[in-house]
Amino acid sequence: GQNIDQPTEMTATEGAIVQINCTYQTSGFNGLFWYQQHAGEAPTFLSYNVLDGLEEKGRFSSFLSRSKGYSYLLLKELQMKDSASYLCAVDQTGANNLFFGTGTRLTVIP
Amino acid sequence: GAVVSQHPSRVICKSGTSVKIECRSLDFQATTMFWYRQFPKQSLMLMATSNEGSKATYEQGVEKDKFLINHASLTLSTLTVTSAHPEDSSFYICSALNSGRGSSYEQYFGPGTRLTVT
Repeated sequence: GQNIDQPTEMTATEGAIVQINCTYQTSGFNGLFWYQQHAGEAPTFLSYNVLDGLEEKGRFSSFLSRSKGYSYLLLKELQMKDSASYLCAVDQTGANNLFFGTGTRLTVIP
Repeated sequence: GAVVSQHPSRVICKSGTSVKIECRSLDFQATTMFWYRQFPKQSLMLMATSNEGSKATYEQGVEKDKFLINHASLTLSTLTVTSAHPEDSSFYICSALNSGRGSSYEQYFGPGTRLTVT
């Protein structure tokens, strides 16, 4: 079967670093996305990984290991506005129709 | 950046009626758009892929006769929920791929439409 697993909820302190993990088992793999979604709003694009390794973009970095079916999103210097859901999604076919995980709700506390 | 709009942002309708939701790419052309549904505290579920000038491709379990999709131009796709029922109440989100970009993987999401069927 197909599955994308993420922790349901996480809490971290302002200024700290947090790592959100994502493991996937899908019928195909053409890339993995991370999106941020605030409550009641549309997702916004954070990162895209297709090759193994770490992609760094400012305070956010994303890592992929295709052999392990594993990715993580790393958020540094956490800010209160980073409180949101973080969605891991896989493009299975290359046609950009994404299969989303259940999302991780991150709460940043002072 | 690329902007995608949806209209209406919220709609309340009575059971048995139909509701049309519009998705527009405002500053780029989108050959392909996607329609997702999101129930409270759950993730996005892809309903269908909308292709300009051709029939939509529906995901397994999504009734194509109930959720009518029309992608008549490069900037507009519509989703019509026919004979709506309370269980159709959900957050409907569209996304669009920028046909003109060299990197075609990034989807731009609309702000979503919250449908409530009473």
